[in-house]
Amino acid sequence: AQKVTQAQTEISVVEKEDVTLDCVYETRDTTYYLFWYKQPPSGELVFLIRRNSFDEQNEISGRYSWNFQKSTSSFNFTITASQVVDSAVYFCALSEAPSNTGKLIFGQGTTLQVKP
Amino acid sequence: SQTIHQWPATLVQPVGSPLSLECTVEGTSNPNLYWYRQAAGRGLQLLFYSVGIGQISSEVPQNLSASRPQDRQFILSSKKLLLSDSGFYLCAWTRDFTYEQYFGPGTRLTVT
Repeated sequence: AQKVTQAQTEISVVEKEDVTLDCVYETRDTTYYLFWYKQPPSGELVFLIRRNSFDEQNEISGRYSWNFQKSTSSFNFTITASQVVDSAVYFCALSEAPSNTGKLIFGQGTTLQVKP
Repeated sequence: SQTIHQWPATLVQPVGSPLSLECTVEGTSNPNLYWYRQAAGRGLQLLFYSVGIGQISSEVPQNLSASRPQDRQFILSSKKLLLSDSGFYLCAWTRDFTYEQYFGPGTRLTVT
């Protein structure tokens, strides 16, 4: 069965520290998609990144970077030089291609608090 | 560009009352549409999804229902609300299953 585990419930860092949010997934399919979303206090989910299972290249976008490793079924998210505005709940999600529905399986989320 | 709207933003309803939450998408056609619920302090649970007008799939048995009367309109309903229906309801759309979902601003429902 599909499953996404975000073992870190809450993380607290001081501004300018680097922080990594872990995501481990389970799936039986060879074709799937992985996502990260940010949920600020306002509640709306903001899309950050999408990765398909055939693309293991790491990606960097400004202070954000993602490390996708199929060997360990992990898709970790690192924020470099964290800022107070990064404080939010971050969700990792999985979608399996064969279902053709785009249904997302979410992890429980990691609450990140960045202190000034 | 595409935008997704949800209303109302907040709602307080007594137990046993009906519910109707609306979601509309602009700037695209034939989107896949989704309703999620987020209980306080927890992750998101998929409730319904729709790949076309009149096509609704339910993920979780409950006293909620969904309808898609128009291509870009998705409605979540209940005839009689329960206390356990309280939560944050999010609507989302995607162009197809290979793409990311974009979420609306959400409706915060409190059942009293």
